[in-house]
Amino acid sequence: QKEVEQNSGPLSVPEGAIASLNCTYSDRVSQSFFWYRQYSGKSPELIMSIYSNGDKEDGRFTAQLNKASQYVSLLIRDSQPSDSATYLCAVTLGGRGGSQGNLIFGKGTKLSVKP
Amino acid sequence: EPEVTQTPSHQVTQMGQEVILRCVPISNHLYFYWYRQILGQKVEFLVSFYNNEISEKSEIFDDQFSVERPDGSNFTLKIRSTKLEDSAMYFCASCGQESSPLHFGNGTRLTVT
Repeated sequence: QKEVEQNSGPLSVPEGAIASLNCTYSDRVSQSFFWYRQYSGKSPELIMSIYSNGDKEDGRFTAQLNKASQYVSLLIRDSQPSDSATYLCAVTLGGRGGSQGNLIFGKGTKLSVKP
Repeated sequence: EPEVTQTPSHQVTQMGQEVILRCVPISNHLYFYWYRQILGQKVEFLVSFYNNEISEKSEIFDDQFSVERPDGSNFTLKIRSTKLEDSAMYFCASCGQESSPLHFGNGTRLTVT
């Protein structure tokens, strides 16, 4: 059974602080890793994708991947109240026929940024 | 920016009835997916579709479910005989290339009474 685990939170940080979100996955052959943001009642929205070990930065967001430890994280710098949402970690085994899109999601970490 | 469109936004149906959820993927995309999210639970993969056939399906996607791309624009999910436990948000997604991240539609909330 392929699993993606996240701390459900809520994670509460003050405005302007760094929010750190973590995710572990069970299947060593996982190839692609994604962070999605989901506001209540809305669809997942892609924040970051990462495919190789190390850090990837995009604006206030940094994704970190460690395949040896089967660990993915997302750092949000200068957190804003508008960042308050549930953050979903997703992994895929990759492969043919679009199976890159056969995502396995974690349950998500609820982030609350207090003004 | 082009987007994935889903209709209806909310569907209420009685147990045992058939429902069809509709999606219009982004026009030049080739890979199509259905996911569902039961309230308070994980987003779960149902099925992927490429080149007019199912590429992969999950254990959830049993004989009660089917997908179709009846024309060049629509992608539908049919549930033949709905059960109470089918109540969920159903998301359609598409991508243009195998390596591309998914674009999700806004979802259809299905309520089975």
